[in-house]
Amino acid sequence: GQQLNQSPQSMFIQEGEDVSMNCTSSSIFNTWLWYKQDPGEGPVLLIALYKAGELTSNGRLTAQFGITRKDSFLNISASIPSDVGIYFCAGTGGTSYGKLTFGQGTILTVHP
Amino acid sequence: SAVISQKPSRDICQRGTSLTIQCQVDSQVTMMFWYRQQPGQSLTLIATANQGSEATYESGFVIDKFPISRPNLTFSTLTVSNLSPEDSSIYLCSGRGQGPAAPLHFGNGTRLTVT
Repeated sequence: GQQLNQSPQSMFIQEGEDVSMNCTSSSIFNTWLWYKQDPGEGPVLLIALYKAGELTSNGRLTAQFGITRKDSFLNISASIPSDVGIYFCAGTGGTSYGKLTFGQGTILTVHP
Repeated sequence: SAVISQKPSRDICQRGTSLTIQCQVDSQVTMMFWYRQQPGQSLTLIATANQGSEATYESGFVIDKFPISRPNLTFSTLTVSNLSPEDSSIYLCSGRGQGPAAPLHFGNGTRLTVT
């Protein structure tokens, strides 16, 4: 089946620093999504990408759908303590847009 | 975004029993799915909940272990049967609206611990 490799697995940064994480796939994806999960809660959608090359921002977050359709990155600028959490990339290569394949997650810790 | 309510939020169950999880979504949702998140792991799709018919299960998941109902458009249940400690996970209901641009949203999950 499809697999996503997400890196890094964890990051420890100082408040105010920028963060970058990415996902790669061995197969082509039609949709890339980025979620954040806080403890005890379900994943919350941050950004959805639907076209190769698409670059989308949501506040301090920026994500891109790779031109090869096999990768995506998420950047967080000027990190703040509430950015702490687990970030997941997810994608789908078929036409069932709810059947997502998830990356392993990136655990982000922000030191004040 | 779609509103997805799931209950219970957590439960502790004994080995051999079953737990039924309920999920209620708002009218924006047309497709519903159930995911599992094992401790410290990512999310894995269990099945697509089909309205008025049998769910469509992913490889590795079977109806006898994870019976799913969806009697109407906005409600679904997932039962985890014959529980064992290996079933201790977070079970997440999710839904999306129509069209390719409608992304998937999640409920807050049910944290199941099997003793």
